Amino acid sequence: DARVTQTPRHKVTEMGQEVTMRCQPILGHNTVFWYRQTMMQGLELLAYFRNRAPLDDSGMPKDRFSAEMPDATLATLKIQPSEPRDSAVYFCASGLVPLQGYEQFFGPGTRLTVL
Amino acid sequence: DQQVKQNSPSLSVQEGRISILNCDYTNSMFDYFLWYKKYPAEGPTFLISISSIKDKNEDGRFTVFLNKSAKHLSLHIVPSQPGDSAVYFCAASVGTNAGKSTFGDGTTLTVKP
Repeated sequence: DARVTQTPRHKVTEMGQEVTMRCQPILGHNTVFWYRQTMMQGLELLAYFRNRAPLDDSGMPKDRFSAEMPDATLATLKIQPSEPRDSAVYFCASGLVPLQGYEQFFGPGTRLTVL
Repeated sequence: DQQVKQNSPSLSVQEGRISILNCDYTNSMFDYFLWYKKYPAEGPTFLISISSIKDKNEDGRFTVFLNKSAKHLSLHIVPSQPGDSAVYFCAASVGTNAGKSTFGDGTTLTVKP
């Protein structure tokens, strides 16, 4: 049963600390997305990769957020330094574009709380 | 400028009746539309999609209708079941954008037994 995995599932940290979230996309998928969902809000696209190359990271605050794909099995999202307004659920998703259309497979999310 | 809008934050229906969730978009370049369902503490899961060359797509109890002239799509669930209670997201894509989708804010559906 192929699925996207994310670690950690929950993270509580203090303002100013570095936060690293990890994602393992589905094997064989060529596109990886990072989203953020705040309370009662939709899914905000932060960044996405195609074949490990960044395609668009315009949704990320550049001064504190960074996203990378060190290899095909790992995507990371880092926040340094973290701020209380970063508290949200961060989702990773992967897809096989265009062979499987535009359907995205989401991980369970990382719930981040910055105190 | 929100390109995909779900104007109803919530919807409540009785079990067995029809649920109709609506979505409007502003970007005429969108050519593929998707619906996702999300349960609490889980990631969204794909439900059904439709290409702009069609006006209807059906999968079991779920049907999506697309009205390109009105830039409007809707998801019909018939009959509704309590297990359908979830947040439903509408999403839209442009074919040249490498799979990138723009999501609406979601509609919370509650199906009462």
